[in-house]
Amino acid sequence: AQTIHQWPVAEIKAVGSPLSLGCTIKGKSSPNLYWYWQATGGTLQQLFYSITVGQVESVVQLNLSASRPKDDQFILSTEKLLLSHSGFYLCAWSLHLNQDTQYFGPGTRLLVL
Amino acid sequence: QQKVQQSPESLIVPEGGMASLNCTSSDRNVDYFWWYRQHSGKSPKMLMSIFSNGEKEEGRFTVHLNKASLHTSLHIRDSQPSDSALYLCAAKNTNTGKLTFGDGTVLTVKP
Repeated sequence: AQTIHQWPVAEIKAVGSPLSLGCTIKGKSSPNLYWYWQATGGTLQQLFYSITVGQVESVVQLNLSASRPKDDQFILSTEKLLLSHSGFYLCAWSLHLNQDTQYFGPGTRLLVL
Repeated sequence: QQKVQQSPESLIVPEGGMASLNCTSSDRNVDYFWWYRQHSGKSPKMLMSIFSNGEKEEGRFTVHLNKASLHTSLHIRDSQPSDSALYLCAAKNTNTGKLTFGDGTVLTVKP
C-alpha cells in the first residue's frame, strides 16, 4: 500500500528566514506529485506539480520554489519567508490519467512571525 | 479562470438528518468531479468521485452529477456528529489537467 509522509509536522519561523518542506511517497512508482497551500479558513490552492523526476511546473507565484530530486520525493522551499506564507502545506499524489484521484499527505502547518 | 462555486457556505443539520451540498463549475472543459472531506486540523480525504451523468451511492453518501449544467451535489443521510467537517468539491479541467477546489461547505451536525 502507498504511504505519503510530510516533514516537518509543524514549523514556527521568522520572517526572512529560509524554509524547506519535504514530502515522500512510498509504494507508487513515478506518481504525479503536487504541492498545495491552504490559508487558515481558506481555499486549497495548487502551487506546483511534477510528473517526473527533475521536472516541476509552477501554477501560482508565491515566492516559493519546488524540486523533485528523486522519483519519490518532492521539496518545497524559499530563501526568504513572508508573513503571507503562513498556512497549511499539503503534498498530494496521483497516477497519470485525468480521472485519477489526488490523495493528500498529512500536511505541514507553518506559522511565520 | 476556472471557478468552482460551492453552496451553502455553512450548514447545520440535526443528528440523523439529511445534509445536501452543492457545487458548480464555470469551466466548460471540466469533466471530472470529486468530493473531499476535511476534518479540523487534518488533511482532505477523498470521499467520492463522479464522472458520468446520474447518481452514485456509497453507504450514507450519494452524489449526483449533471454534466450539462456542470453541477454536482453531495447528500449525506442519517448525518452523524463525526460528519462535521469542511466539504470540498474539486473539478478537473481535462485540457490542462488542473484540479481546482471550491471554497467548501462547513457542515455541523448537532447531537
